[in-house]
Amino acid sequence: DAGVTQSPTHLIKTRGQHVTLRCSPISGHKSVSWYQQVLGQGPQFIFQYYEKEERGRGNFPDRFSARQFPNYSSELNVNALLLGDSALYLCASSLEVGSGTDTQYFGPGTRLTVL
Amino acid sequence: QQQVKQSPQSLIVQKGGISIINCAYENTAFDYFPWYQQFPGKGPALLIAIRPDVSEKKEGRFTISFNKSAKQFSLHIMDSQPGDSATYFCAVVSSNTGKLIFGQGTTLQVKP
Repeated sequence: DAGVTQSPTHLIKTRGQHVTLRCSPISGHKSVSWYQQVLGQGPQFIFQYYEKEERGRGNFPDRFSARQFPNYSSELNVNALLLGDSALYLCASSLEVGSGTDTQYFGPGTRLTVL
Repeated sequence: QQQVKQSPQSLIVQKGGISIINCAYENTAFDYFPWYQQFPGKGPALLIAIRPDVSEKKEGRFTISFNKSAKQFSLHIMDSQPGDSATYFCAVVSSNTGKLIFGQGTTLQVKP
């Protein structure tokens, strides 16, 4: 079975631009979460979606938005890019949400560089 | 607000030695404690996890020790191998949210 897939792998943007990152969860998984990992740090939670509804949001500005589609894939959008948005963006999927013990499986990430 | 503190930041161990990484958390609402392993260019992968109703869990060479009263847990890697060289993250989860809160990470280097 395919794992979590993310596209694109790498992306270079300039300040002020907009970016869309995509994620396909493991087949059968209904929950998708997004994390930002700055170089040398642990991933930071951005969003969690379950059955197309937002279930949680981390401490990120409104420039960050996301959505989940009927096929459970997801998009993360970032507007008005800043240099500090340069990071590895990780998508994780799980069967359910809120059970606490439900394993989250991570994709390889999208490396975003903002110049 | 740093809810999970991980140490050490980096660790060098000889092949066959024991690697020990520690984490401390602040909020008693957390009820699931996973460890993730991350290789360069890859996403984190679940290594082993523990629930607070047990004090130790072992899977192969990897063991989690959990001290609920001290709000600390640690990862022990026995017989460390060069292939274990990676970055390790502890995390905490609240069953209410399912949100992972990660530690800062420990870069492990196992020398042959």
